[in-house]
Amino acid sequence: NAGVTQTPKFQVLKTGQSMTLQCAQDMNHEYMSWYRQDPGMGLRLIHYSVGAGITDQGEVPNGYNVSRSTTEDFPLRLLSAAPSQTSVYFCASSSRLYEQYFGPGTRLTVT
Amino acid sequence: AQKVTQAQTEISVVEKEDVTLDCVYETRDTTYYLFWYKQPPSGELVFLIRRNSFDEQNEISGRYSWNFQKSTSSFNFTITASQVVDSAVYFCALITTYSGAGSYQLTFGKGTKLSVIP
Repeated sequence: NAGVTQTPKFQVLKTGQSMTLQCAQDMNHEYMSWYRQDPGMGLRLIHYSVGAGITDQGEVPNGYNVSRSTTEDFPLRLLSAAPSQTSVYFCASSSRLYEQYFGPGTRLTVT
Repeated sequence: AQKVTQAQTEISVVEKEDVTLDCVYETRDTTYYLFWYKQPPSGELVFLIRRNSFDEQNEISGRYSWNFQKSTSSFNFTITASQVVDSAVYFCALITTYSGAGSYQLTFGKGTKLSVIP
């Protein structure tokens, strides 16, 4: 049981490049979400999903896309990276209103 | 809209002192859940406790205790006899059961950085 896994752990992008952050969970959780963590800002919700095929925007969705084709996977896509997207990204999963289990995070730098 | 406020940005204590981390929340909903998470220097997020809005009983787990008061919309966290290993950033968070916009969104406070000095 691996819990929530995220890849890559570190990534450096140039402005304008695109990439996908991968997130997978093996706990059969229906609810998955992506957060970004910036110094002094806590964690802010980017997008979330309450089940396969269902996604919705969180607090800071601009510049990011998501899809949820399976229960296990919830990738986050950056279409055209900007320096403002330099952050640590966490994926989480949970069974509805229960505690969210977080992945180890991806540290992204956009130059 | 829901909001979580952790007014203490940073706290320093000497080892073995007790310390309380404050958390104040805002929500229009009557059914909600409150959480505390710990983020040690290694960066991972560790779940500590979940409390629902209908259960105001205080909880104790070893050196950790939580005081939930609906009357003041607070969910404070106390560490007794602090240790160096308690040094971390602690986040309070809120989720509601409202089925409209904002449902199932976990709202975090900005965190309190606790430093325990040996």
